[in-house]
Amino acid sequence: EVQLMESGGGSVQPGGSLRLSCVASEFTLSDHFMDWVRQAPGKGLEWVARIRNKANSDSTEYAASVKGRFTISRDDSKNSVFLQMNSLTREDTAVYYCARKHYGIDVWGQGTTVTVSS
Amino acid sequence: QSVLTQPPSVSAAPGQKVTISCSGSGSNVGRNFVSWYRQFPGAAPKLLIYENNKRPSGIPDRFSGSKSGPSATLGITGLQTGDEAHYYCGTWDSSLNVWVFGGGTKLTVL
Repeated sequence: EVQLMESGGGSVQPGGSLRLSCVASEFTLSDHFMDWVRQAPGKGLEWVARIRNKANSDSTEYAASVKGRFTISRDDSKNSVFLQMNSLTREDTAVYYCARKHYGIDVWGQGTTVTVSS
Repeated sequence: QSVLTQPPSVSAAPGQKVTISCSGSGSNVGRNFVSWYRQFPGAAPKLLIYENNKRPSGIPDRFSGSKSGPSATLGITGLQTGDEAHYYCGTWDSSLNVWVFGGGTKLTVL
């Protein structure tokens, strides 16, 4: 079964860093565009970042709210995608979903929770 | 403030039809494919419609999508209480170079 599994969430103080991981099952992650999408408590979906496939030079895009602080990357040997989050603020508190962009965003992980609090 | 505008809530009776609108601009909905997602509380979103009007395998034909210019619409017929959820539209914005979601619409089946 095609699946995505996130890990790495937790509690961190403002200004801190966290690295989220997402491993794919039953498909080759590098063949696809991969996204991180987050959802703050009681709020809607917010797209965070995208890494395109090898055919598109692994190029990346970021939401304005995280640009310069977050970095999306991929390790093909581990069939995984990562989100390095630095300079975290309380506004980054959310459930973070790893997702595959194919025809629409068609595969979603179960989410990992990030809480930024002192 | 979302780039794509959806009504915060819609409601209808079981068995009836409901539509949810998604209003954007020429740089997003007007130019790119729109997809729709359903999310139950505490769960990950699920793709309902892609490329404006296509249904992934397993999505019943009670769900339909359409697009005209800078606006898209999700239609749901034969409403069931199990359809109560939040619904989101999404698309690429070619001017901002970001993916954008609508603010979400809560569907209540009365």
